[in-house]
Amino acid sequence: EADIYQTPRYLVIGTGKKITLECSQTMGHDKMYWYQQDPGMELHLIHYSYGVNSTEKGDLSSESTVSRIRTEHFPLTLESARPSHTSQYLCASSEFRTGSTDTQYFGPGTRLTVL
Amino acid sequence: QKEVEQNSGPLSVPEGAIASLNCTYSDRGSQSFFWYRQYSGKSPELIMSIYSNGDKEDGRFTAQLNKASQYVSLLIRDSQPSDSATYLCAVRGSSASKIIFGSGTRLSIRP
Repeated sequence: EADIYQTPRYLVIGTGKKITLECSQTMGHDKMYWYQQDPGMELHLIHYSYGVNSTEKGDLSSESTVSRIRTEHFPLTLESARPSHTSQYLCASSEFRTGSTDTQYFGPGTRLTVL
Repeated sequence: QKEVEQNSGPLSVPEGAIASLNCTYSDRGSQSFFWYRQYSGKSPELIMSIYSNGDKEDGRFTAQLNKASQYVSLLIRDSQPSDSATYLCAVRGSSASKIIFGSGTRLSIRP
């Protein structure tokens, strides 16, 4: 069973607000990921991290930023939210070591609505 | 050409029948293959992973891998209405740095 948590689960905010989406995992996984997914559409990787102090941008350009100060924590921040940021944000983690399966486990997601 | 391709569907299968979902990938050196199920509005959950050529069975689910032809499939036997979901194929490429997800196949099981 995956132990990966996201808060808040739902968020409705106004344009221009700064928000942080939280993601934590208790499995000790080195790799963590943020995906963006619109309803009925495919997953888009927006950020990933291979360990503490390591962050990379994903395939989809995003105005969000991430940090990885602790292994278990990978928050995503939007400095100034806009309606175009309305989407579902999914966090995932996987084990990163030689011989591991690298299976990704997903959190429950945060559904963000920007008015 | 997308790195991981799936037919978007919808694939409609009668209850009790076998549902067959297919996925092709472009990186011949890919090593790990995953099938996820995603219900509407929920996050993906892992169904199966497969790493070697051949079949791997888990309950009603069978994953099939053919590296020479670069395809991986998922069979669902005795399909149930609860199997109605989007099924995502994911592939870990030869670079081993990222897992690439397909766009998913929407499966509908009709009673």
